[in-house]
Amino acid sequence: NAGVTQTPKFRVLKTGQSMTLLCAQDMNHEYMYWYRQDPGMGLRLIHYSVGEGTTAKGEVPDGYNVSRLKKQNFLLGLESAAPSQTSVYFCASTLLAGVGGELFFGEGSRLTVL
Amino acid sequence: KQEVTQIPAALSVPEGENLVLNCSFTDSAIYNLQWFRQDPGKGLTSLLLIQSSQREQTSGRLNASLDKSSGRSTLYIAASQPGDSATYLCAPYTGTASKLTFGTGTRLQVTL
Repeated sequence: NAGVTQTPKFRVLKTGQSMTLLCAQDMNHEYMYWYRQDPGMGLRLIHYSVGEGTTAKGEVPDGYNVSRLKKQNFLLGLESAAPSQTSVYFCASTLLAGVGGELFFGEGSRLTVL
Repeated sequence: KQEVTQIPAALSVPEGENLVLNCSFTDSAIYNLQWFRQDPGKGLTSLLLIQSSQREQTSGRLNASLDKSSGRSTLYIAASQPGDSATYLCAPYTGTASKLTFGTGTRLQVTL
């Protein structure tokens, strides 16, 4: 049982380049989330999805896009990377948000934008 | 907007000590609260999930309490071990936008 898997784990980009982070979960979870973690700022929600085909903005959505074409996958895209997007990105999923909703995290994707 | 504060930000204790980590939140209308552990360079691992109707939740040497009305939760670690060294984060869930709000964590170091 792999849980939540993120790829790639590390990536270095130049300003203006684009890339996609993939999150895959094998627990049949409905809810999926993308967070970024920066020193001193904790985890901040970028986008989330409450089911296949649905996405919504979180706290810091600017500069990012997401898609949830399949229930098990949640993609995070950067169309034109900026140095301010240097961060560690975490994907998480849960079966039920709220009541009984234990959150499972991936190992993280460390992105550096030069 | 939910705001979460964790005190202390860092803590160093000798092995064997019992310790308490504190979490306070501003919006008491929560459904549940989770405590997580994060090791350096790793993702978050859920330790305990307390529903809003519960006062306590226990797992091994860990005990988490919740006082929803006062906006506080504590994580008690008994007989600390070097392997407990990590950052501990709390996250109350208010049901707004289906998301949790995370504190910035308490970095714990347990020394031999």
